[in-house]
Amino acid sequence: AQSVTQLGSHVSVSEGALVLLRCNYSSSVPPYLFWYVQYPNQGLQLLLKYTTGATLVKGINGFEAEFKKSETSFHLTKPSAHMSDAAEYFCAVSFAGGTSYGKLTFGQGTILTVHP
Amino acid sequence: ETGVTQTPRHLVMGMTNKKSLKCEQHLGHNAMYWYKQSAKKPLELMFVYSLEERVENNSVPSRFSPECPNSSHLFLHLHTLQPEDSALYLCASSQVLWEKLFFGSGTQLSVL
Repeated sequence: AQSVTQLGSHVSVSEGALVLLRCNYSSSVPPYLFWYVQYPNQGLQLLLKYTTGATLVKGINGFEAEFKKSETSFHLTKPSAHMSDAAEYFCAVSFAGGTSYGKLTFGQGTILTVHP
Repeated sequence: ETGVTQTPRHLVMGMTNKKSLKCEQHLGHNAMYWYKQSAKKPLELMFVYSLEERVENNSVPSRFSPECPNSSHLFLHLHTLQPEDSALYLCASSQVLWEKLFFGSGTQLSVL
């Protein structure tokens, strides 16, 4: 079965500081990996996704993530945090084959707080 | 605005009530989804429809009953709910099954 773990339910950074949100997955087949963001009182919005090809993926709002197969990780980063980045972030995984083809599994979410 | 509209935004109901959640997508997508988001738990997939056919029923209790009358509309009918069913219910749609889901803002449900 596929699974995804987000390390740290809460992350707090200062405005202008590096943002690092951690995501690890377990899989026996190549994964597709996603990061979604949820702003207060809103639904989830796709930030970026990795399917195949380049392992460093750039998304919206200056975020990027790197797929590291050896570490089974897909951590989300942003060089300089803005106040508007405060939200909850979800890592999700799906797989290209098998009976669970395409089915998304979400992590528990990480709440990002940005301090002035 | 993501093109996926959910109504109502908030709903309070008693355990004996019957209510329905509505989702409408204006994106021309072919797949629609219901998710449950509870505090401190991962999003839980409930139901998936592709081309108006149910393709996933993720062991959801029968007190939740989905309906997809056409590719643009999705309903979740609720009856005799329990307090533990209180959660944010999110609807999503996608052009291709499982690819790039667009989410609505959700219905915050409280069961008293």
